Amino acid sequence: GAVVSQHPSRVICKSGTSVKIECRSLDFQATTMFWYRQFPKKSLMLMATSNEGSKATYEQGVEKDKFLINHASLTLSTLTVTSAHPEDSSFYICSARDPWGTYNEQFFGPGTRLTVL
Amino acid sequence: GESVGLHLPTLSVQEGDNSIINCAYSNSASDYFIWYKQESGKGPQFIIDIRSNMDKRQGQRVTVLLNKTVKHLSLQIAATQPGDSAVYFCAEIFGNQFYFGTGTSLTVIP
Repeated sequence: GAVVSQHPSRVICKSGTSVKIECRSLDFQATTMFWYRQFPKKSLMLMATSNEGSKATYEQGVEKDKFLINHASLTLSTLTVTSAHPEDSSFYICSARDPWGTYNEQFFGPGTRLTVL
Repeated sequence: GESVGLHLPTLSVQEGDNSIINCAYSNSASDYFIWYKQESGKGPQFIIDIRSNMDKRQGQRVTVLLNKTVKHLSLQIAATQPGDSAVYFCAEIFGNQFYFGTGTSLTVIP
């Protein structure tokens, strides 16, 4: 199956700093990528849909100025958590849709653990 | 801050027993379904899929059953092993729409 990578896998930062997380599709071009957030023992929560070459679509309740998404190429989407605070600490997961896949499968990255001190 | 998201149902099984994890889906027109496994601290991984024109599909130690009448999907794991401990969730796909189930946390007791 298709491979999606995320970088970094783990990041610790001070409150008030900004953190950028990269999501890459390694062997296919993804016109659409998704960003999820997950708390321990909780379900995946879709934050936003990232479309190559256009603005991201945010889910209700997600601050677009807080979570900046850029999908500048067909293989890379970035999520920047601006002015991070301890409540932003979470597990962030991206996925990419293979447009040539028969059933629009989503392939997940390994996740990024963000800890804000 | 308080964490958000749905609490995961839990299932505990004895090592060697069979596990059955259930999922109810919402759209009777969904044409493709996937089961994912998510281990702690990792991203979800594909386990097995099934198309809507099938009612059963078997993989290695896993079987997925699809009951379109009641919009129900189940994942059966045979001879459950400690390495099967993870969160399992289903996904239904209809066209470009992709919906995830809440997930079930499976714990295997040695």
